[in-house]
Amino acid sequence: GIQVEQSPPDLILQEGANSTLRCNFSDSVNNLQWFHQNPWGQLINLFYIPSGTKQNGRLSATTVATERYSLLYISSSQTTDSGVYFCAGAQGAQKLVFGQGTRLTINP
Amino acid sequence: DSGVTQTPKHLITATGQRVTLRCSPRSGDLSVYWYQQSLDQGLQFLIHYYNGEERAKGNILERFSAQQFPDLHSELNLSSLELGDSALYFCASSVAGRGTNAQYFGPGTRLTVL
Repeated sequence: GIQVEQSPPDLILQEGANSTLRCNFSDSVNNLQWFHQNPWGQLINLFYIPSGTKQNGRLSATTVATERYSLLYISSSQTTDSGVYFCAGAQGAQKLVFGQGTRLTINP
Repeated sequence: DSGVTQTPKHLITATGQRVTLRCSPRSGDLSVYWYQQSLDQGLQFLIHYYNGEERAKGNILERFSAQQFPDLHSELNLSSLELGDSALYFCASSVAGRGTNAQYFGPGTRLTVL
């Protein structure tokens, strides 16, 4: 099965800073999603992005499917952005394989 | 709100007991997936049902079983519980086979085994 590697594992920033999170896949996927897990444990869907670029407010994501990686950009960070960010991929209508996550801490 | 509902939100029980977790998928979604999130294993796939039929199994213990009912809701049964079964259990749903394969996650059930 596919393997998913996320970097960096931890990121500590000041409010207002920008950040880039990366996700590498060991094989091609046709389902790629980014999630934010908040301090209460909820997994919030951020993007479904098997290829291309999408933007939603201060967040954007880019997936280069041919090179098997995806990037999540967070601009003008706020303390509410803190939490763990996961990427996950799947081949077809199959199980999502998750990375280990990037723990983001935004300090005021 | 993803549209996926899970009950209960929290469950505290003792070793050796049996519990049932319930999931209702988004309206129109035929696929239901169960995932377990534990501190040492991360987020792992357990099982996938599509329109009432089991489609794939992951690292699901023999003590665990699941089913999807005709109304498409699903239940995950955990028996002979051990301390190590304490985890956050998520259900996700997708349309699977039509359009996007995006999976939408419920709020999870936090299971504590004492």
